[in-house]
Amino acid sequence: QKEVEQNSGPLSVPEGAIASLNCTYSDRGSQSFFWYRQYSGKSPELIMFIYSNGDKEDGRFTAQLNKASQYVSLLIRDSQPSDSATYLCAVQGNNRLAFGKGNQVVVIP
Amino acid sequence: ETGVTQTPRHLVMGMTNKKSLKCEQHLGHNAMYWYKQSAKKPLELMFVYSLEERVENNSVPSRFSPECPNSSHLFLHLHTLQPEDSALYLCASSQDFPGAGASSGNTIYFGEGSWLTVV
Repeated sequence: QKEVEQNSGPLSVPEGAIASLNCTYSDRGSQSFFWYRQYSGKSPELIMFIYSNGDKEDGRFTAQLNKASQYVSLLIRDSQPSDSATYLCAVQGNNRLAFGKGNQVVVIP
Repeated sequence: ETGVTQTPRHLVMGMTNKKSLKCEQHLGHNAMYWYKQSAKKPLELMFVYSLEERVENNSVPSRFSPECPNSSHLFLHLHTLQPEDSALYLCASSQDFPGAGASSGNTIYFGEGSWLTVV
């Protein structure tokens, strides 16, 4: 099993809709969870981090963590064309930060 | 403007060349990293330095040689690379070394990356 899995293919969402991204991880002892956004040709930039079970909201973004089920998700409300990017899930465990392959999101005007 | 700067932003080198990538962080962080990002692959951790000491070498070939002269600067020396080494090389830093528990200090901040093409 991969350390961090983001299995969904490219996600197309209409402008104004909610984009939902999921990420699962294998290390049950993981403590910190991050979502990064990466525009084409650019480096990843941090969107949010979450440590505790439940939801964490920041503007149009909501991260959801469920340690029992070993998944973390990201919701993007009122999606905008500027949200079109690849979203990377990162999980800290075993003294290292492991990244998923990323999910591409395309917001259609 | 990012707190982590990388130079050069683009580099084309032959397989017999020797070149170096440079990274500088202006955030007062204690840990610095080199990552490699290839198409269709997850970010690959190459090296981790904590307080100028290398704490992780993630099975990276010896043609990549890191150097951390102080907590603000990190280099990646390149020699006799292969075409498959062409990728985006990302430098990053964090306040704390990962493993310090659940803390915002574990958050990693990336530089803008150095695009490397080996011909």
